[in-house]
Amino acid sequence: GAVVSQHPSRVICKSGTSVKIECRSLDFQATTMFWYRQFPKQSLMLMATSNEGSKATYEQGVEKDKFLINHASLTLSTLTVTSAHPEDSSFYICSARDLGREVNEQFFGPGTRLTVL
Amino acid sequence: GQNIDQPTEMTATEGAIVQINCTYQTSGFNGLFWYQQHAGEAPTFLSYNVLDGLEEKGRFSSFLSRSKGYSYLLLKELQMKDSASYLCAVMDSNYQLIWGAGTKLIIKP
Repeated sequence: GAVVSQHPSRVICKSGTSVKIECRSLDFQATTMFWYRQFPKQSLMLMATSNEGSKATYEQGVEKDKFLINHASLTLSTLTVTSAHPEDSSFYICSARDLGREVNEQFFGPGTRLTVL
Repeated sequence: GQNIDQPTEMTATEGAIVQINCTYQTSGFNGLFWYQQHAGEAPTFLSYNVLDGLEEKGRFSSFLSRSKGYSYLLLKELQMKDSASYLCAVMDSNYQLIWGAGTKLIIKP
């Protein structure tokens, strides 16, 4: 149980285009999902916390107009990187918390590797 | 500020034991997590400690001392597949995970 899927796994796009990444909790309901970014050889950086039915909470330094987050249902959150530029190339990972479990662990999706040319 | 410290890199021999330390200073404490991350993949959950003491799970054990702000992950009978980064993360008073930079563990035959 507690499986999180992410789509697409890899995407290559041209500078200036927008890219949407989906994060789904497959066998549990997730009122809260988290979006992380990880650059090579660095740790995870929390970008935003996505709450079902309300606006996402962004971390300091993360542009909310550039990284649009929508959490429309208890099993789906999307991250849209608008007008992507080469510096946005990174590994984007989502995670979700299963509130039905005793331990507050986060279950991670497999990640999306974004390359902006 | 909030801070998680762990060594950048460690090297160990196949079949041996290795201990990866983590010290933390956070605003509040709701548990400490260890995750394993292979290159190019997302992290996978290894262990969770919220009370002082040792939690054992197969070849992996995790220890916590809340008074010292200290944890370690102990890996026994090391296998080549254990080569990965090991991330220490603390859940603060807002139930948000604060991440360490990770320890890259290199296993040699």
